[in-house]
Amino acid sequence: GAGVSQSPSNKVTEKGKDVELRCDPISGHTALYWYRQSLGQGLEFLIYFQGNSAPDKSGLPSDRFSAERTGGSVSTLTIQRTQQEDSAVYLCASSLVGESSYNEQFFGPGTRLTVL
Amino acid sequence: GENVEQHPSTLSVQEGDSAVIKCTYSDSASNYFPWYKQELGKGPQLIIDIRSNVGEKKDQRIAVTLNKTAKHFSLHITETQPEDSAVYFCAASGYGNNRLAFGKGNQVVVIP
Repeated sequence: GAGVSQSPSNKVTEKGKDVELRCDPISGHTALYWYRQSLGQGLEFLIYFQGNSAPDKSGLPSDRFSAERTGGSVSTLTIQRTQQEDSAVYLCASSLVGESSYNEQFFGPGTRLTVL
Repeated sequence: GENVEQHPSTLSVQEGDSAVIKCTYSDSASNYFPWYKQELGKGPQLIIDIRSNVGEKKDQRIAVTLNKTAKHFSLHITETQPEDSAVYFCAASGYGNNRLAFGKGNQVVVIP
């Protein structure tokens, strides 16, 4: 079946512009995560959505970052007034949260953001 | 919060040899430890995971060991092949906590 998809695959923008990154999770997955991966670094947690619960936004680095998930499916990560340090690969993952709390996170291919 | 240490370095091995990657974690409440493989231009993919009620788990050429007392866990790849070349990430989380803390990754290069 279809995996997690993200768009665009690459985004080049100018400093100060706003950008929107999209994630389509696996159908039926109730949990959705955004991570940021800077060059040579691990995955930095940004935000977590689970069903209709309030999202865990504790990883967002500044108030320029926001995310929403409409209808419990598609999610959009928005970065306002982009800075050069925002350049990174933004990864989205989804998981099926069932009775077990150990649920595999399936990752999309990521969006590579370059801020000039 | 949880802090996972995984030294970012490149591990080069000859094809057919074994590769071992080690990670340490800080939160003694963590009890789920997955390993992800990331190939160039792709998202990470889960290759194996272990829960704290077991000390070792094996899946074909891949195995993971867990030492809860020392708070470290390791990935073992035997009979390495060129397709094993990738970046490997370890992660940790606690029960009921879907937020994974990732290490910084190890670049494994298998030399034919």
